[in-house]
Amino acid sequence: ETGVTQTPRHLVMGMTNKKSLKCEQHLGHNAMYWYKQSAKKPLELMFVYNFKEQTENNSVPSRFSPECPNSSHLFLHLHTLQPEDSALYLCASSQEPLNTEAFFGQGTRLTVV
Amino acid sequence: GEDVEQSLFLSVREGDSSVINCTYTDSSSTYLYWYKQEPGAGLQLLTYIFSNMDMKQDQRLTVLLNKKDKHLSLRIADTQTGDSAIYFCAERPSSGSARQLTFGSGTQLTVLP
Repeated sequence: ETGVTQTPRHLVMGMTNKKSLKCEQHLGHNAMYWYKQSAKKPLELMFVYNFKEQTENNSVPSRFSPECPNSSHLFLHLHTLQPEDSALYLCASSQEPLNTEAFFGQGTRLTVV
Repeated sequence: GEDVEQSLFLSVREGDSSVINCTYTDSSSTYLYWYKQEPGAGLQLLTYIFSNMDMKQDQRLTVLLNKKDKHLSLRIADTQTGDSAIYFCAERPSSGSARQLTFGSGTQLTVLP
């Protein structure tokens, strides 16, 4: 248990559905991240929130919409996804400036059908 | 640009040593990490090394860093079936934040009985 909790663990959705992924951290960190993990590819950083403000958006399509209502919670809203968006979505948090490590949640396995 | 490369697969016999290799290109990298991802789980930090060190040992784990060749390795002694997982190498500059972490594609370690 790393202190970063993601729900749901698994999600299957159709291309016309709207769903949300949730991440919660109880570590008192001030920065949170969404990563996409696809098979045999490096982790792709999607979004960064620092002090609840989005500081980075790595050219992510608008069908992914992040929300950070407070420093402990992070959401990823999904709508009209494509099958190639199927992946493991990982949330992470850290205390910035970064001392040593970022802490990762267990991920949400997303399948788009 | 920054790039971290790892071989995708490694198989070893239980009780043998495993050596997972990683190369990186960013000469300003100061922190280098090894993360472990067990099936269905997120990334867990195993160990990290500062670039002014060339070796770090922690129980069964030995990290070797060749800064000249930009080569990092993780040796697991007496490999057990519970060590089967994906191992990610990551690096970042010393003054960087967690958003500047660059990950490799991961090495799938399979431990055979």
